[in-house]
Amino acid sequence: AAGVIQSPRHLIKEKRETATLKCYPIPRHDTVYWYQQGPGQDPQFLISFYEKMQSDKGSIPDRFSAQQFSDYHSELNMSSLELGDSALYFCASSPRTSHSYEQYFGPGTRLTVT
Amino acid sequence: DQQVKQNSPSLSVQEGRISILNCDYTNSMFDYFLWYKKYPAEGPTFLISISSIKDKNEDGRFTVFLNKSAKHLSLHIVPSQPGDSAVYFCAASASAGTYKYIFGTGTRLKVLA
Repeated sequence: AAGVIQSPRHLIKEKRETATLKCYPIPRHDTVYWYQQGPGQDPQFLISFYEKMQSDKGSIPDRFSAQQFSDYHSELNMSSLELGDSALYFCASSPRTSHSYEQYFGPGTRLTVT
Repeated sequence: DQQVKQNSPSLSVQEGRISILNCDYTNSMFDYFLWYKKYPAEGPTFLISISSIKDKNEDGRFTVFLNKSAKHLSLHIVPSQPGDSAVYFCAASASAGTYKYIFGTGTRLKVLA
């Protein structure tokens, strides 16, 4: 079965650079969520989109922005990167229209800021 | 302020025995709960969920119990298998108007052969 696809899987950036992470949800899933998991920490909700509109916002820094496109894929844009942004970034999708509360996670993108 | 807590960072269980993973929450608005399993270098995998209108949900070897008055839920795995060794996260959501989940800190389960 098709799963959530995230690219790239690994990314190394320097401080003050920008990064773009991409997420391709499971087909027919219209809701996308972004989570950040720091070393030894639990996943922290960043932001979510439903039908290309932002539906919820969590602890996302102002330096980050995200959007969902007409094909439902989503991109997380991160600017002025800081060392503390080094983390695993997960994207999850769900078919909200079927009243399913389960979120299906991608494999994550490991971002390292040096 | 950690709204979802998993107070046991690790748990070791003998193969074939029962594994019990616990989760406590503080927000009384939470009404939907999920358990995820996570292997290293992979994203969390959905296991089982429970709505606050129930106190038990069972799926194969996995059963989740919810005690709303105690704001406590637990995941039982019977019988435990070595392949169950992973980090288990519980997550909670106040579903009305939001679909974001608050995750616990995880419990690392090791099933010994």
